[in-house]
Amino acid sequence: DQQVKQNSPSLSVQEGRISILNCDYTNSMFDYFLWYKKYPAEGPTFLISISSIKDKNEDGRFTVFLNKSAKHLSLHIVPSQPGDSAVYFCAASVPGAGSYQLTFGKGTKLSVIP
Amino acid sequence: DGGITQSPKYLFRKEGQNVTLSCEQNLNHDAMYWYRQDPGQGLRLIYYSQIVNDFQKGDIAEGYSVSREKKESFPLTVTSAQKNPTAFYLCATGPDQYNSPLHFGNGTRLTVT
Repeated sequence: DQQVKQNSPSLSVQEGRISILNCDYTNSMFDYFLWYKKYPAEGPTFLISISSIKDKNEDGRFTVFLNKSAKHLSLHIVPSQPGDSAVYFCAASVPGAGSYQLTFGKGTKLSVIP
Repeated sequence: DGGITQSPKYLFRKEGQNVTLSCEQNLNHDAMYWYRQDPGQGLRLIYYSQIVNDFQKGDIAEGYSVSREKKESFPLTVTSAQKNPTAFYLCATGPDQYNSPLHFGNGTRLTVT
């Protein structure tokens, strides 16, 4: 049972336009959400996160929106740049005593076309 | 990366052989993790360790073993019992406190033929 779902395997966007990557989750216990960016043959790099007490977090060109009632979050990249072309993973975690584990989605490959 | 070293970058082994992947960190993080990435599968947790000399199985631990003899090191052994060992293996670390992101190494691509 996949608890974090990224239903779009790929997305193509024109340079300068907005990229919107979506993520849905099923576990209502999740209360911390992250986005990672990954280039081929490299490890994922942390991009931005959001706690469930917020509905929006912004960092430069990247904004994450959280809709708890819909169990949905999205990552907006504005404006999109060719260097943003990568696989983006959505991840979530539940609060727990001690360990800290992330559940990842399967990723969305973003291609930004010059 | 930034303080997490995985070696080697590429590794080739014959079927039936055990192989050990190295992960070293100098971030002074308490927790270390091993993930596996397969095409279209996202990242799946193999093992994690919150403290020296202690570790727990993740979602797909069968066919793998780990050790945590010192804080900086968390090697992963892929045994011959692992049915599909060819994959991209990622080591991660974290301060083991809530609401802190994990930091990943650059991975090891293991190919078993």
